[in-house]
Amino acid sequence: KNQVEQSPQSLIILEGKNCTLQCNYTVSPFSNLRWYKQDTGRGPVSLTIMTFSENTKSNGRYTATLDADTKQSSLHITASQLSDSASYICVVRAYSSASKIIFGSGTRLSIRP
Amino acid sequence: ETGVTQTPRHLVMGMTNKKSLKCEQHLGHNAMYWYKQSAKKPLELMFVYSLEERVENNSVPSRFSPECPNSSHLFLYLHTLQPEDSALYLCASSTSWGGRNEKLFFGSGTQLSVL
Repeated sequence: KNQVEQSPQSLIILEGKNCTLQCNYTVSPFSNLRWYKQDTGRGPVSLTIMTFSENTKSNGRYTATLDADTKQSSLHITASQLSDSASYICVVRAYSSASKIIFGSGTRLSIRP
Repeated sequence: ETGVTQTPRHLVMGMTNKKSLKCEQHLGHNAMYWYKQSAKKPLELMFVYSLEERVENNSVPSRFSPECPNSSHLFLYLHTLQPEDSALYLCASSTSWGGRNEKLFFGSGTQLSVL
């Protein structure tokens, strides 16, 4: 069964600190993995996409990693800011004869001043 | 802004009411989607339209009825809903449907409460 599991479910850190969010998936055949950021009261916005051959990709203070062998991804946030408070959703795309998207439940991140 | 606009932002309705949700995209995309987002659960795909034709209907109850009159507009008609239908309803669009690296562009959603 295609599944995407995220941890932790929620996280509170102080402004300026770093954090890492985890995503484990059992999706086959794997095509790509995206991290989305969803601010409160808004729709999700794509932060980064990882394909099978990519191990690390950065977008400003966000760095995503992918280990296709262990089927794990992480999103590392450096020097957190109050505006980083949001839900972060891991989304994996399977691709065979048709494309299928599987969403994780998200990690709710709160940054405290 | 993502280029996908949803109205209304908030909606409260009784179980016997009939209402509609509207989505409009200004990105020139050919695919549009309806998703349901309940608290602490993954997004659930409801419907997909590609070039104004419905291509996916994921066992959604008939009390939800979608319409895509053109590639820029998507509607979701609601009638005789249940309290468990209360959720955030998100519209999304993408360049095309089924592509390997398609990125979804989401609207801000309609927060629906069914009393």
